[in-house]
Amino acid sequence: AQKITQTQPGMFVQEKEAVTLDCTYDTSDPSYGLFWYKQPSSGEMIFLIYQGSYDQQNATEGRYSLNFQKARKSANLVISASQLGDSAMYFCAMREWNSNSGYALNFGKGTSLLVTP
Amino acid sequence: ETGVTQTPRHLVMGMTNKKSLKCEQHLGHNAMYWYKQSAKKPLELMFVYSLEERVENNSVPSRFSPECPNSSHLFLHLHTLQPEDSALYLCASSQIQGVDSGANVLTFGAGSRLTVL
Repeated sequence: AQKITQTQPGMFVQEKEAVTLDCTYDTSDPSYGLFWYKQPSSGEMIFLIYQGSYDQQNATEGRYSLNFQKARKSANLVISASQLGDSAMYFCAMREWNSNSGYALNFGKGTSLLVTP
Repeated sequence: ETGVTQTPRHLVMGMTNKKSLKCEQHLGHNAMYWYKQSAKKPLELMFVYSLEERVENNSVPSRFSPECPNSSHLFLHLHTLQPEDSALYLCASSQIQGVDSGANVLTFGAGSRLTVL
């Protein structure tokens, strides 16, 4: 069953505006981690931001912030002051403890973001 | 070299060929991963190696054979592939520490784009 859901296949935002990319997750494990990655057309997955399930405050990294709503099981990514270079695929991922794979990540299907001038 | 390096970046092979994908990490990490990224699916975890031991094999067909000779190198051996195996194959590494540690960030390579004719 899909554990990470990204409902927005594609998003547009104008340069310098803020944009929110949605992510919901499903887990019964009290200990987990949530990640956002960016994948430009070159293919490499670039780590953006991390939120632990026990973290009390929302994570922030520069222009990226994670709107973590634990009760709703959502972990939306907010990009402030969008730049043309932000155009890429964005993936939400979750790490649960698994006795086999340990710390491997499960990914959503991604959201394609296009920043327009 | 730094980070995670994958070679070759592009590979075209026939269904009867045997080829290998190579991944090398220069980060001192103790876990390595193979993911498959197809056009219409989320990233699929294929194999996980932790401390050079395979800890996950996600129902991957036997025509894919991983090898991890040491903590810095990971191979994916390919033989008698099918056209549906055409995809981007991503290698990643991480440093496994605590269960809920932000340090368990996966660092990805740029991927190997495989086309099976």
